[in-house]
Amino acid sequence: DSGVTQTPKHLITATGQRVTLRCSPRSGDLSVYWYQQSLDQGLQFLIQYYNGEERAKGNILERFSAQQFPDLHSELNLSSLELGDSALYFCASEGPGTALNEQFFGPGTRLTVL
Amino acid sequence: SQQGEEDPQALSIQEGENATMNCSYKTSINNLQWYRQNSGRGLVHLILIRSNEREKHSGRLRVTLDTSKKSSSLLITASRAADTASYFCAWSTFQGAQKLVFGQGTRLTINP
Repeated sequence: DSGVTQTPKHLITATGQRVTLRCSPRSGDLSVYWYQQSLDQGLQFLIQYYNGEERAKGNILERFSAQQFPDLHSELNLSSLELGDSALYFCASEGPGTALNEQFFGPGTRLTVL
Repeated sequence: SQQGEEDPQALSIQEGENATMNCSYKTSINNLQWYRQNSGRGLVHLILIRSNEREKHSGRLRVTLDTSKKSSSLLITASRAADTASYFCAWSTFQGAQKLVFGQGTRLTINP
């Protein structure tokens, strides 16, 4: 158990819909990263938050957005869903002040868009 | 592509044998990490090697890093059926909070 929690575990929805994925980092970790894992693209970095502020963006679509709240949990919002958005979405957290970038991953949310 | 390569893409061996997976990357790195993923489940952190280290051990795992060749290898000794999983290398490019870039992964199957 990494100490990172994600809900829900599975999500099945239809094209055009909007969903919210939730992540709670390990206690004390300030950084949250979101990654997408799909069969064709592999594991791709989406976005990073540090202590409530956006720190870096990767291959995140404009239809996707995220935020980190004062209690440090984070939410990834996916809207106008398309079939190609079906994937595993992971969040990872990282401790404060570390130079090692050792990230601990949650169990993931499997999103299926029908 | 920013991502590197892992080879082999798939590896099938008998229980008790050693498994070696290789990872190549394209940029200068701060450190390199290896993760295991069981059948579409979460990523489990295995080991981290810093850019100034050449070899690191953890139990049955041995990781090497050759920054001149921009490559790393993961050796699993005395493999067990429970080692069946996908293995990913991932690296970060500078100190401080930074995204990880992942290799494509090696699918390891241990046959009993």
